[in-house]
Amino acid sequence: QLQLQESGPGLVKPSETLSLTCTVSGGSISSSTYYWGWIRQPPGKGLEWIGTMHYSGSTFYNPSLKSRLIISTDTSRNQLSLQLRSVTAADTAVYYCARHGVVGALTWFDPWGQGTLVTVSS
Amino acid sequence: QSALTQPASVSGSPGQSITISCTGTTSDVGGYNYVSWYQQHPGKAPKLMIYEVSNRPSGVSNRFSGSKSGNTASLTISGLQAEDEADYYCFSYTSSNTPYVFGTGTKVTVL
Repeated sequence: QLQLQESGPGLVKPSETLSLTCTVSGGSISSSTYYWGWIRQPPGKGLEWIGTMHYSGSTFYNPSLKSRLIISTDTSRNQLSLQLRSVTAADTAVYYCARHGVVGALTWFDPWGQGTLVTVSS
Repeated sequence: QSALTQPASVSGSPGQSITISCTGTTSDVGGYNYVSWYQQHPGKAPKLMIYEVSNRPSGVSNRFSGSKSGNTASLTISGLQAEDEADYYCFSYTSSNTPYVFGTGTKVTVL
């Protein structure tokens, strides 16, 4: 059974870099079939797609975050990572990782990690 | 790219059917059969309920069904149960500069 688990600091200072890791178990992040994505949800608000990556390097970013964002994979550790630079309070959110569809049909997210709350505050 | 438009709230009594709409444009909902729906209980991660407009993943109750007409996709919950009380989000591919977009979310209340 495929499972995803996010981890990282729960508190980040303004202007610093938010770094999160998503560990995949029960399946391989280097499967040629699947993409992997990040989604976030500010407290009390809706979902926002952040970005999506295939282990081969193919990457799609939300244009509103692209200039500050790096998504990468570490196949040796079966992990997906997210780095978001120059954070502000507006980046405070629960961050989720999820499997994002299959090659040629990135039409769904399933399963999702449990999510991790990141607060940007001094 | 703006979020897809959903009603803020929908309510129904146990046993009734309710429908949640998700309105976009010909660049997203209307142009592709790539709409998916997610259920989110408070404090929990979203769960995939419907993909590619009307397909139900294994394990999802057949009380949940999806459809699309023009630029509007819909999620119908039949035989409403207390456990269906949650937030629901639609999601779609879009040919705009942001390739993927969620809906604004709908809170379903079981009366």
